[in-house]
Amino acid sequence: EAGVVQSPRYKIIEKKQPVAFWCNPISGHNTLYWYLQNLGQGPELLIRYENEEAVDDSQLPKDRFSAERLKGVDSTLKIQPAELGDSAVYLCASSLDTSYTGELFFGEGSRLTVL
Amino acid sequence: AQSVTQPDIHITVSEGASLELRCNYSYGATPYLFWYVQSPGQGLQLLLKYFSGDTLVQGIKGFEAEFKRSQSSFNLRKPSVHWSDAAEYFCAVGAGNQGGKLIFGQGTELSVKP
Repeated sequence: EAGVVQSPRYKIIEKKQPVAFWCNPISGHNTLYWYLQNLGQGPELLIRYENEEAVDDSQLPKDRFSAERLKGVDSTLKIQPAELGDSAVYLCASSLDTSYTGELFFGEGSRLTVL
Repeated sequence: AQSVTQPDIHITVSEGASLELRCNYSYGATPYLFWYVQSPGQGLQLLLKYFSGDTLVQGIKGFEAEFKRSQSSFNLRKPSVHWSDAAEYFCAVGAGNQGGKLIFGQGTELSVKP
């Protein structure tokens, strides 16, 4: 069974440019998460989806970040415009449901470098 | 608010030696605790989790962790470290009233000497 797939793995852009990351969760997983991992830090939740509904986006900087999960499967995270401080790894994870006892399965991440 | 502290940023152990990684949490109710491992350039993989019951939990790759409520700790242990265990280890607490949201610690980087 395929795991969580993210693309691109690496992206280098200049500041003020837009960027988008794509995530395909494990088949059948209703809950999808986007986490931000800064260098030397643990992941921090940006947004959580239950099916196609964003149920927790309190940590998402909505002035420049947006996300969508059409049809409750794949998801896209966008940054526009990117700033130097956005350089980080963006991790996508999925789980069967929203129970806190469930295991989160993580993708390999998308590493963003903003110049 | 929930929080997780991993006091050791970097630990080096010799191959074959025992390992203990520390984790302290702050949470008002019964915590749901996790340890994840992240190899370079990879996503996070669950090692083990604690929800209730026996305070000593076994995980994959020979790891175990012990929940100590009195010390608010959930330390990860392995009796004999292998070179392939070199990675970043993250402790996390589940925010039980917020679905599957996890609060992660800063991580401990483990290096293994031959």
